[in-house]
Amino acid sequence: DVKVTQSSRYLVKRTGEKVFLECVQDMDHENMFWYRQDPGLGLRLIYFSYDVKMKEKGDIPEGYSVSREKKERFSLILESASTNQTSMYLCASSVTGTGYVDEQYFGPGTRLTVT
Amino acid sequence: AQSVTQLDSHVSVSEGTPVLLRCNYSSSYSPSLFWYVQHPNKGLQLLLKYTSAATLVKGINGFEAEFKKSETSFHLTKPSAHMSDAAEYFCVVRDAGKSTFGDGTTLTVKP
Repeated sequence: DVKVTQSSRYLVKRTGEKVFLECVQDMDHENMFWYRQDPGLGLRLIYFSYDVKMKEKGDIPEGYSVSREKKERFSLILESASTNQTSMYLCASSVTGTGYVDEQYFGPGTRLTVT
Repeated sequence: AQSVTQLDSHVSVSEGTPVLLRCNYSSSYSPSLFWYVQHPNKGLQLLLKYTSAATLVKGINGFEAEFKKSETSFHLTKPSAHMSDAAEYFCVVRDAGKSTFGDGTTLTVKP
């Protein structure tokens, strides 16, 4: 079974703090993703990575950065947290290859509150 | 550009009655289509996927979906709802390496 784990289920931070959200997958997947989920807006892609040290902006990258130093780990960084970044953050991974439909496997999510 | 529209934000059914969650999509290519379910405070779990092999796709927990290219639809159905089906459901279209999620449909199951 693919397992995607996220470092925290719940996190409370103050405005202006630097925040790190960690995601680890154990299936040697090439691709990793960070989404935020807000009521009525579905999932919106923040960043994704298709290889170590590679990253691509998603639909809403502003205010976020990412790091992928090892294949299994993908970190989301909020350089200076703001209240509008209060949200549920979901990490996902997928494998890509000929014949694969590359479905995504999701972690349980981190609910971040910025006060 | 691709897009996904889930036609109902909320659906309420009685236990034992059929479930229909509607999804329309637009895509420039031949897309892959998915349905995911999210139970409260949990991550998303794959229910089923369309891979162009068969238009009627069977998934887990008795769910199935039919791909209709002429109608650009991928509606999710289940013959008989169970209380444990209460959750949020997301339709996803994927092509050219990009996934687009619908806004979600919340399914309520009444006893």
